[in-house]
Amino acid sequence: DSGVTQTPKHLITATGQRVTLRCSPRSGDLSVYWYQQSLDQGLQFLIQYYNGEERAKGNILERFSAQQFPDLHSELNLSSLELGDSALYFCASRTAHGTDTQYFGPGTRLTVL
Amino acid sequence: TQLLEQSPQFLSIQEGENLTVYCNSSSVFSSLQWYRQEPGEGPVLLVTVVTGGEVKKLKRLTFQFGDARKDSSLHITAAQPGDTGLYLCAVMKTSYDKVIFGPGTSLSVIP
Repeated sequence: DSGVTQTPKHLITATGQRVTLRCSPRSGDLSVYWYQQSLDQGLQFLIQYYNGEERAKGNILERFSAQQFPDLHSELNLSSLELGDSALYFCASRTAHGTDTQYFGPGTRLTVL
Repeated sequence: TQLLEQSPQFLSIQEGENLTVYCNSSSVFSSLQWYRQEPGEGPVLLVTVVTGGEVKKLKRLTFQFGDARKDSSLHITAAQPGDTGLYLCAVMKTSYDKVIFGPGTSLSVIP
């Protein structure tokens, strides 16, 4: 158990819909990272938040957005869903300083029908 | 073009065999990480290498960072079924706090 929790574990929805994925980092970790993993693209960095502020952006679509709340949990919002958005979405957290170690959650499997 | 390339893409071996997987790039990195991901779970960090030529051992796993810090290898001795999983190398672009993962090597160890 990494200490990072993600909900829900599985999500099935239809094209055009909007979903919210939730992540709670390890206690004390200020950084939260979101990743998308699909068979054809591998593990792709989406976005990072540090203590409530956006820190870095990767290959995140405009239809996707995220935020980190004062209690440090984070949400990834995916809207106007397309079939190609079906993937595993991982959240990871990292201690602020002195380490490059990221701890990954168990992921949310999103299926868009 | 991928920043990191990993080979082989798939590897299926018998229990007890040795194997080596590779992570290559044309770029120089200050550090490189190896993760293992088991089916249905998130990646778990195995090791971070930071010095060119560095060798780190974790039980039956030996990690090496190339002298030029552009490549790395992971050698597993006497593979066991529990070693089955996706092995990912990753680098952190510290100026932007982004982590870039390679495509991975999927290892299957058959009892």
